[in-house]
Amino acid sequence: QVQLAESGGGVVQPGRSLRLSCAASGFSFSNHAMHWVRQAPGKGLEWVALIWYDGSLKYYADSVKGRFTISRENSENTLYLQMSRLRVEDTAVYYCARAHGQHFDSWGQGTLIIVSS
Amino acid sequence: QSALTQAPSASGSPGQSVTISCTGTSSDVGGYNYVSWYQHHPGKAPKLVIYEVSKRPSGVPDRFSGSKSGNTASLTVSGLQTEDEADYYCSSYAGNNNWVFGGGTKLTVL
Repeated sequence: QVQLAESGGGVVQPGRSLRLSCAASGFSFSNHAMHWVRQAPGKGLEWVALIWYDGSLKYYADSVKGRFTISRENSENTLYLQMSRLRVEDTAVYYCARAHGQHFDSWGQGTLIIVSS
Repeated sequence: QSALTQAPSASGSPGQSVTISCTGTSSDVGGYNYVSWYQHHPGKAPKLVIYEVSKRPSGVPDRFSGSKSGNTASLTVSGLQTEDEADYYCSSYAGNNNWVFGGGTKLTVL
């Protein structure tokens, strides 16, 4: 049974940094590309970033490019999102999701980031 | 404003059918057969219910079906059940390793 569990959320001031983690279990993590997707309060979902199964390729939404870095540690079955220069508009629930083709076939329950002074 | 347009709400009585639409452009919905739909009960993990326009993952009831015409995709839930009450989001591949989502439709089972 695929399980994804995000952690690392909290309240952070604008301009600061934060790292999210996503612990994966129940599948061969190193064989799957992984995404981060977020949902701002009262808004729809927004794709954030993708990392290939081996970490060799990474892609970002324009809204986070240059500020966020996606990475993974396959030996620990863990996905990361390093967020820097955080803005108020980055406030959202952040989900990790497993990639399958061009869709997202398993999701975690999310972790909430609040960027506020 | 979300990249794909969904009506904010939809409703139906138990046993009825309801269709949720998702409108994009020729650069996303209209350009690829990579539309997917997600069911989200608040506080829980979103769940994939339709992928590649009309395919159903294992375990998803055949009450859920998807289609596409031009730049608009649709999710139909037939034989509505109380547990179908949730938020539904569409998504489309938009090329160049970019994905877009809709703003979500809150489905109420009356």
